[in-house]
Amino acid sequence: DSGVTQTPKHLITATGQRVTLRCSPRSGDLSVYWYQQSLDQGLQFLIQYYNGEERAKGNILERFSAQQFPDLHSELNLSSLELEDSALYFCASSPSGDFQETQYFGPGTRLLVL
Amino acid sequence: EDQVTQSPEALRLQEGESSSLNCSYTVSGLRGLFWYRQDPGKGPEFLFTLYSAGEEKEKERLKATLTKKESFLHITAPKPEDSATYLCAVQQSAGNKLTFGGGTRVLVKP
Repeated sequence: DSGVTQTPKHLITATGQRVTLRCSPRSGDLSVYWYQQSLDQGLQFLIQYYNGEERAKGNILERFSAQQFPDLHSELNLSSLELEDSALYFCASSPSGDFQETQYFGPGTRLLVL
Repeated sequence: EDQVTQSPEALRLQEGESSSLNCSYTVSGLRGLFWYRQDPGKGPEFLFTLYSAGEEKEKERLKATLTKKESFLHITAPKPEDSATYLCAVQQSAGNKLTFGGGTRVLVKP
């Protein structure tokens, strides 16, 4: 158990809908990262937050957004969902978000868009 | 653009049959290379971080090594519980994102 929690575990929705994925980092970690894992793309970095502020952006679509709250939990919002958004979404956390730090991953949220 | 390539894509081993997984990378300014293990339907589990060429790290039956262009994960006398997908990721000097390889699926048969 990495100490990172994610809810929900599974999510089934329809195209065009909007969903919110939630992540709670390990105790003491200030930085949160979001990743998408699909069969054809592998693990792709989406976005990083540190202490409430966006720090780095990866391959995140404009339809997706994220935020980190004062209690350090983070939410990833996915809107206007398309079939190809079906994937596993992972959250990871690290103490300060500096490079070379180990990122610890949560169990993931499996999203299925029908 | 950063590139991370892992080979082979899949590996079938008999219990006790040692082997090596390869991770080759192209990145401007490597700050760290990470190895993770991922079981089906679960999040990646951290194994090792390597920072500079020549560095080696060991954990139980696993040993990771790093050169200037690639890293190897050696599995010595594997057991069925070592069956998993092993992921390699690199972190470059600019930015904090990890770039992952496609992974190597390892199956160890008793």
